[in-house]
This record gives sequence, C-alpha cells and structure tokens, in this order.
Amino acid sequence: DAGVIQSPRHEVTEMGQEVTLRCKPISGHDYLFWYRQTMMRGLELLIYFNNNVPIDDSGMPEDRFSAKMPNASFSTLKIQPSEPRDSAVYFCASLGGLAAPGEQFFGPGTRLTVL
Amino acid sequence: GESVGLHLPTLSVQEGDNSIINCAYSNSASDYFIWYKQESGKGPQFIIDIRSNMDKRQGQRVTVLLNKTVKHLSLQIAATQPGDSAVYFCAAGGGADGLTFGKGTHLIIQP
Repeated sequence: DAGVIQSPRHEVTEMGQEVTLRCKPISGHDYLFWYRQTMMRGLELLIYFNNNVPIDDSGMPEDRFSAKMPNASFSTLKIQPSEPRDSAVYFCASLGGLAAPGEQFFGPGTRLTVL
Repeated sequence: GESVGLHLPTLSVQEGDNSIINCAYSNSASDYFIWYKQESGKGPQFIIDIRSNMDKRQGQRVTVLLNKTVKHLSLQIAATQPGDSAVYFCAAGGGADGLTFGKGTHLIIQP
C-alpha cells in the first residue's frame, strides 16, 4: 500500500480564495482524521470520520472550514474563504478499526500558505 | 480538558548515547499515551504507546515510562543513531476525548 496520500503537497493562495485539500486513506481503514499543525499551536485535530460519517468536528475553527468523505477512499477539507491565519501544514491520517487509537498512519501533509 | 507539554524544545545528544525525552500531562483521567516521531517534511509516525495500567513498555530501542503520580511520561531511545534525528512529541487521551498533542522536542544527534 502507498500509505495515506494527500494532495496537493504545497498550496499558495491569496486571501479570500477557496482552498480544497484532498486525502486518500489507506485501503481498509475505517477512521480518517484531519489535523492542522502550526509552530504556535502544535498538532490539532480538526475533524474525524468513522465509516465515512463525521463523528467529531469540534476542532474545526469556524464555518469557513468544511470536510467531507463521500466514500471510503476519499476525503476533502475545504476552506472558503481562506485567510492568512489558516497558513499551516494540514495532515490527514487513517486508522484501522482494530488498531490502538494512536496507531494512526499520517500522510505527508499539505503545506498551505495564504497570502 | 487535557494539556500536554514537553520539557525541552530541543535536545542535543551524542551519537551512541541514550536519549531521554520528557512530557507532562494535566488530566489525571487520561489513560492512553503515545509517542510520535516526525522527520522533516513528513507526517508524524507512531513509535510506541502505553496505557495507564502499565508503568513501562519497551519496543525496539525505545522504552516509554509512565509516572501517573506526577503525570509524567518519558521516551528513552537507546544508542541514538543519526536516523533518530527528528521532532518527538507525546499525546494523551482517554474515554470520549480525542488525543491532545504536545508541541514537540527536536532531537539533534551530534556525531
């Protein structure tokens, strides 16, 4: 398996633009997590899905952020409109149902820069 | 809620020496703890975990120690190698709460 795949790896956009980040989890994993990492705040959980259903979105900063998982092999995180303070590295991670909660497999991340 | 902090933002060790990275957590209800390694430009990678019913757990060249009395967690890496150079951070969680991550300690290996 190729592991968790994220695209794009880097995104530079201007304030006010819509940004869509994409994630393909490891096949067979039924949990999918979206995280944001910054120097100031470290790694923060934004939302997670179980069997394509959003379970906890309490970490989503505000209504500008939305996430979907239309099927077991694809998820998106959308920011509309984007703001400079959204600049961060966004990670997607997936987890198999029988694994311990910490044994998440992380993707390489998308580095987002909002100018 | 939980807060997790690492004691040192940077730790420099000689190649071949043992490394010890420390972490503190605040919520005594946390019952599950994890250490992750993050190399430059990559996502975090699971190293080892421990549940609160244990004080110690060993993996390959790594040992995690848990002191619930003082809410302290440590990661020991034996015979540190250049490939161990990375940011290490701990996470804590339990029950219905998700994981809370610390900010990380950058381990630097001196030749």
